Amino acid sequence: DADVTQTPRNRITKTGKRIMLECSQTKGHDRMYWYRQDPGLGLRLIYYSFDVKDINKGEISDGYSVSRQAQAKFSLSLESAIPNQTALYFCATSGLDRGSQETQYFGPGTRLLVL
Amino acid sequence: QKEVEQDPGPLSVPEGAIVSLNCTYSNSAFQYFMWYRQYSRKGPELLMYTYSSGNKEDGRFTAQVDKSSKYISLFIRDSQPSDSATYLCALDNTDKLIFGTGTRLQVFP
Repeated sequence: DADVTQTPRNRITKTGKRIMLECSQTKGHDRMYWYRQDPGLGLRLIYYSFDVKDINKGEISDGYSVSRQAQAKFSLSLESAIPNQTALYFCATSGLDRGSQETQYFGPGTRLLVL
Repeated sequence: QKEVEQDPGPLSVPEGAIVSLNCTYSNSAFQYFMWYRQYSRKGPELLMYTYSSGNKEDGRFTAQVDKSSKYISLFIRDSQPSDSATYLCALDNTDKLIFGTGTRLQVFP
């Protein structure tokens, strides 16, 4: 089984709808992240969480919210989706798994289309 | 100025070629430098990381950091079609990673 899972893998929604993207991990890491990836812009950090009680805004948090329900679960919500939120969304976790360097592990991504 | 600049490519090379992928960065405070590989329709996965300046080799891959020039490189020797992917550089900025836009590499047989 994959260490980091994301649901759904693909989603089409309409402008103004509320949607939630979910992420679960089995690596036992405290740190979790949400990114979006757009052509030509690379990966941009939306929100991150260093433990269940810690939530931090990233580079592009406007229009998004998150919930850290447990160490293993971190969900991303779009309260009122708009077309420029069409992107590929990745969840990631990080821990000291390779020597002394914090390593990020990514999920398979959620492809979101907002019409 | 972006914190990390990376040529998006695409870069197309024949099998067996030596590939050079590069990033430049602006903040001299970065200490850890990483390369992630992302196959189509997959999440990025860590390929290599380097601390401070110098080279690090892992099989056919060599990561190189030149802090004086704020320039990092990934070399792939004897490239294979299975190396076809997008390669992203990433710099560690106190618990967060700053990613380059990624370079798409295509290795044809």
